[in-house]
Amino acid sequence: EIVLTQSPGTLSLSPGERATLSCRASQSISSTYLAWYQHKPGRAPRLLIYGASNRATGIPDRFSGSGSGIDFTLTISRLEPEDFAVYYCQQYADSPRAFGQGTRLEIK
Amino acid sequence: EVQLVESGGGLVQPGGSLRLSCAASGFIFTSYAMSWVRQAPGKGLEWVSSISGTGASTYYADSVKGRFTISRDSSKDTLYLEMNSLRVEDTAVYFCAKALVVVVSAMDYWGQGTLVTVSS
Repeated sequence: EIVLTQSPGTLSLSPGERATLSCRASQSISSTYLAWYQHKPGRAPRLLIYGASNRATGIPDRFSGSGSGIDFTLTISRLEPEDFAVYYCQQYADSPRAFGQGTRLEIK
Repeated sequence: EVQLVESGGGLVQPGGSLRLSCAASGFIFTSYAMSWVRQAPGKGLEWVSSISGTGASTYYADSVKGRFTISRDSSKDTLYLEMNSLRVEDTAVYFCAKALVVVVSAMDYWGQGTLVTVSS
C-alpha cells in the first residue's frame, strides 16, 4: 500500500508570495499517476494537476507540478487571494488510490 | 456541460444501510471511470471506491471492503454506492467524481456531495 505524506501541514503566506507544497510517497510511483487537488470548505474538490506536471483544463499557469519517484511538488508562483485552501496529492498507480493528509494554505 | 448530482444521503443508525446515487450528464458515461470520495467532519479527503468505465473492474478502500458495493447503470447514466453495516466512522460528505479516462485515474469533475450521518 502506497502512503502519501504531505508537508508542511499548514503553510502561512501572503498574496503575491510563492508557495511550495510537498508530497512524498512511501514507495516509488510513476509520475503518470500523481495528481493534485484544491479543496475549499463547502465546495467540490478541483483537479489542478495530473500526471505530476500536467495542468487540468482551465487551471491558471501559476500552478505547476513537478517530481518523480517518491518526491513530488506543487508550486504556486504568485499567490492570489482565491488560492488559499487545502491542497491534496493523490496517487492512482495502485489500489488504494489514497490521498495525502493535505496541506492547509492560509493567509498570513 | 458535465454535471454530477449525488443523492441518497441522510441519517441512519449504526448497522443500517443506505444507497447513494450520482446522476451524470454532459459526457459519454461509459467512456470514463467513476469514483466515490468522502470527507468526514474536520478530516481530509478519503478515497472510497472506483469503477472502470465498463464496470468490469472495481476497487475499494480497506475501510469499506466487504460492506460497500460500487456499481453503475449505463442505461440511466448513474453511479451507485450501496453501503451496508454502516458505522459511526462512515459519517461524511460523499462525493462522486469522474475520471479523466476509462480506467481509474485523476478525477476532473466532482459533484457537490451528499451528507451521510451514522448515529443512534
